[in-house]
Amino acid sequence: RKEVEQDPGPFNVPEGATVAFNCTYSNSASQSFFWYRQDCRKEPKLLMSVYSSGNEDGRFTAQLNRASQYISLLIRDSKLSDSATYLCVVNTLISSGSARQLTFGSGTQLTVLP
Amino acid sequence: GAVVSQHPSRVICKSGTSVKIECRSLDFQATTMFWYRQFPKQSLMLMATSNEGSKATYEQGVEKDKFLINHASLTLSTLTVTSAHPEDSSFYICSAILAGQETQYFGPGTRLLVL
Repeated sequence: RKEVEQDPGPFNVPEGATVAFNCTYSNSASQSFFWYRQDCRKEPKLLMSVYSSGNEDGRFTAQLNRASQYISLLIRDSKLSDSATYLCVVNTLISSGSARQLTFGSGTQLTVLP
Repeated sequence: GAVVSQHPSRVICKSGTSVKIECRSLDFQATTMFWYRQFPKQSLMLMATSNEGSKATYEQGVEKDKFLINHASLTLSTLTVTSAHPEDSSFYICSAILAGQETQYFGPGTRLLVL
């Protein structure tokens, strides 16, 4: 089983639509969670951190359910510029206890159509 | 925000040659840098963790003699792909963190094509 699993998509949605991405992680010791965005042939960029209480940044809402080891991202009123691959990322304290390691999901591809 | 650069952005080389990729933190000191590799339509895979002044820690399955990492200063880490082969063609991305913080700042990546 992969450490971080995402639906690869692709999701093709019209402008203005609401779209939701889901992610599950296997390591219950994981401590922090993020959504990154990666445009084609570019490096990933941090979109937002994810907290248990849920957090919102404009049209983007992220949610974490630690009991289910499940993370979600909701995009409302999608724009053409939202087209990208969205990566679910989990930060885990590694076994030596001295450093943290990011584990990336394989990403969900979103295309917003005019 | 923290800026990380990589050089070169793109390199094409012949099979058997060695390629050096530089990762620099431009406006902060990075005690730890990470090297990732991404094949087409796949996610980033961590190759190694590099701490300034000490040997890099390699992930399982990554050959340390093939992928030489040097982190000689707080602002520079280098990855050398030795005797590169076509299967080493990939997108190599570094990231850096400030001491005591969690956020990783990514470089723009280096696209390597080995012919």
